[in-house]
Amino acid sequence: EVQLVESGGGLVQPGGSLRLSCGASGFTFSSFWMHWVRQGPGKGLVWVSRISTDGSSARYADSVKGRFTISRDNAKNTLYLQMNSLRDEDTGVYYCTREGSGTYYNTLDYWGQGALVSVSS
Amino acid sequence: QMTQSPSSVSASVGDRVTITCRASQGIRGWLAWYQQKPGKAPKLLIYGASILQSGVPSRFSGSGSGTDFTLTISSLQPEDFATYYCQQANSFPLTFGGGTKVEI
Repeated sequence: EVQLVESGGGLVQPGGSLRLSCGASGFTFSSFWMHWVRQGPGKGLVWVSRISTDGSSARYADSVKGRFTISRDNAKNTLYLQMNSLRDEDTGVYYCTREGSGTYYNTLDYWGQGALVSVSS
Repeated sequence: QMTQSPSSVSASVGDRVTITCRASQGIRGWLAWYQQKPGKAPKLLIYGASILQSGVPSRFSGSGSGTDFTLTISSLQPEDFATYYCQQANSFPLTFGGGTKVEI
C-alpha cells in the first residue's frame, strides 16, 4: 500500500524557517517524481514544487521561488521542503504527492494526509 | 489559468451532476479531476481528461480536450458530497481550478 506521511509542520514567525519531511513507503520511491501542493485555510489547492527522480531537476511556483527548496533522499525514501523567509500567506496545509508514471504525466495519484504550517507573529 | 463552474451546486441523490472546467489556453487532454472531502487529502478521480482512476466508481466520467472539460456524476450518491477540483497537467506551473462544492 502506498503511504506518504508528512511531518515537520508547526507555528513559525514571519521571516522564519521550517523544513517539512515526507516519508514514503509501499512503492519504489526513487522511480517517481514528487510534488508539494498546499492549501490555505478554506481555500483551493496550489501547486508548490516538483522534483525529478534523482533530484537533479526541480520546478517551483513563482510565489515560493528563491525561498523554498525541494529535495529528496532516495536512500531514506524521504522528500523534503525547506521553507525560508516565511510569510503569512504561506500558511496552510502542505501535501506531499506522488506523480504517477506514464500516462499520469504531471498528475498526482497519491497524496499524504498533510502537514499544517502556520505563519504568524 | 483554470476556471471551474459552478462554484457550488445543490443536488439530490440520484441526480446527474456536471461540472465544467475551462483552461485559458489549450492543454490538449492533460487534465485531471480530484475529489476532496472535508479534512481529508484530495483523491484522484480522472486523469488524461477521461481515464477513470483505478477503484473509482463508474458513475464518474470525464470528457473534453483543448480548453473545455467536464466532470459528470451520473447518479449522485450520499458519499459524493465533496469539493471537486480540476488540474491542468500540460505545463508548469501546474494549476488547479477554484473548486466546485457539491452539496447533497
